[in-house]
Amino acid sequence: EIVLTQSPGTLSLSPGERATLSCRASQSVSSSYLAWYQQKPGQAPRLLIYGTSTRATGVPDRFSGSGSGTDFSLTISRLEPEDFAVYYCHQSNNSPRTFGQGTKVEIK
Amino acid sequence: QVQLQESGPGLVKPSETLSLTCTVSGGSISSSYWSWIRQSPGKGLEWFGFIYYSGNTNYNPSLRSRVTILLDMSKNQFSLKLTSVTAADTAVYYCARGLSAFSAFDIWGQGTMVTVSS
Repeated sequence: EIVLTQSPGTLSLSPGERATLSCRASQSVSSSYLAWYQQKPGQAPRLLIYGTSTRATGVPDRFSGSGSGTDFSLTISRLEPEDFAVYYCHQSNNSPRTFGQGTKVEIK
Repeated sequence: QVQLQESGPGLVKPSETLSLTCTVSGGSISSSYWSWIRQSPGKGLEWFGFIYYSGNTNYNPSLRSRVTILLDMSKNQFSLKLTSVTAADTAVYYCARGLSAFSAFDIWGQGTMVTVSS
């Protein structure tokens, strides 16, 4: 099983600031199979990024993804009020599909 | 657009079987890969497995002995059965779609809370 470790656990930032979230895999993941989700309280996760760097439909271009092998990141260039949420990385390279434990982006 | 809706009991007794259904609307179930995922404070997001319209399945090995995912094309639904539940199975359960066997989950249901308690 591929274990995904996200850091930091919590990121405290102000609107307008840049956020960089990390996801490290216990073994190599094909860049085609690494995704990021955003989850707000009481809601299901929402797909943001798939294939490491492709934005899902309707996702603003302030969200970007990068990485390869075992190290991946999600960057939010300028935080908007609606971006404060929990973010999860996910791999579909191997079975079982696994998720990171999440990074909470909170208002400072 | 395709939407997913979970349904089923919100309370299940220990040792019994948890049964949930996901109804697919706005599109056909006869394509894509249909998954069940749960979320609990203790274990985060956990994938159960998926089913393809052909009936092919792929289960999480850690849950395989207790899980069955079935598909009913006539009702545009797929279902989850989890046997011998314990309090550790208390979670929010989601159904989700993947466009291929290895793709991300692009559409999720709203989730349904299931509590295991006597």
